[in-house]
Amino acid sequence: DAGVIQSPRHEVTEMGQEVTLRCKPISGHNSLFWYRQTMMRGLELLIYFNNNVPIDDSGMPEDRFSAKMPNASFSTLKIQPSEPRDSAVYFCASNHRTGIYNEQFFGPGTRLTVL
Amino acid sequence: AQSVTQPDIHITVSEGASLELRCNYSYGATPYLFWYVQSPGQGLQLLLKYFSGDTLVQGIKGFEAEFKRSQSSFNLRKPSVHWSDAAEYFCAVGAQDGNQFYFGTGTSLTVIP
Repeated sequence: DAGVIQSPRHEVTEMGQEVTLRCKPISGHNSLFWYRQTMMRGLELLIYFNNNVPIDDSGMPEDRFSAKMPNASFSTLKIQPSEPRDSAVYFCASNHRTGIYNEQFFGPGTRLTVL
Repeated sequence: AQSVTQPDIHITVSEGASLELRCNYSYGATPYLFWYVQSPGQGLQLLLKYFSGDTLVQGIKGFEAEFKRSQSSFNLRKPSVHWSDAAEYFCAVGAQDGNQFYFGTGTSLTVIP
């Protein structure tokens, strides 16, 4: 299995631009999680999906952030418009919710820099 | 409310020395507990996990952790640290419904020769 795939690995953009981060979960997993990691705030859960349905988006910082999961094998996290304070590493993770072993498998992350 | 506390922000140990990273959790039911490691520029990798049974669990890379219910702790240990163990370590508690994880703030480990 290729593991959780994220793209791009690095993104540099200017303030005000739209940014789209992509994630492909492990095949067969039915839960997907988006995290943000910064030095100041550590690892924060932004939103998670079960069976492609958003369950809890209380961690999404602002309306500028949105996430979709159109099918079981793809999810996007969009920031529009982006701001310098959005600079962080964004991780996607997946697991199989109905199994007792609910460890999460993380992707390599997308390092976002907003200038 | 569920939470995880890692009291040590940063730890420095000499190569070959023993290591213990602390983790305390707050959870209303029997917790599922995890330790993840993050090397610089990398994603998180699972070291070990505890669900039930033997309270001493073995993980990869020579790590082990002990679940102590009375102390609400799940400390990570390694008898002899290698330079390659330098990384960020995260403790996490998972909800039994398989949904949310609650991560600690992490402990950064530096290994000196």
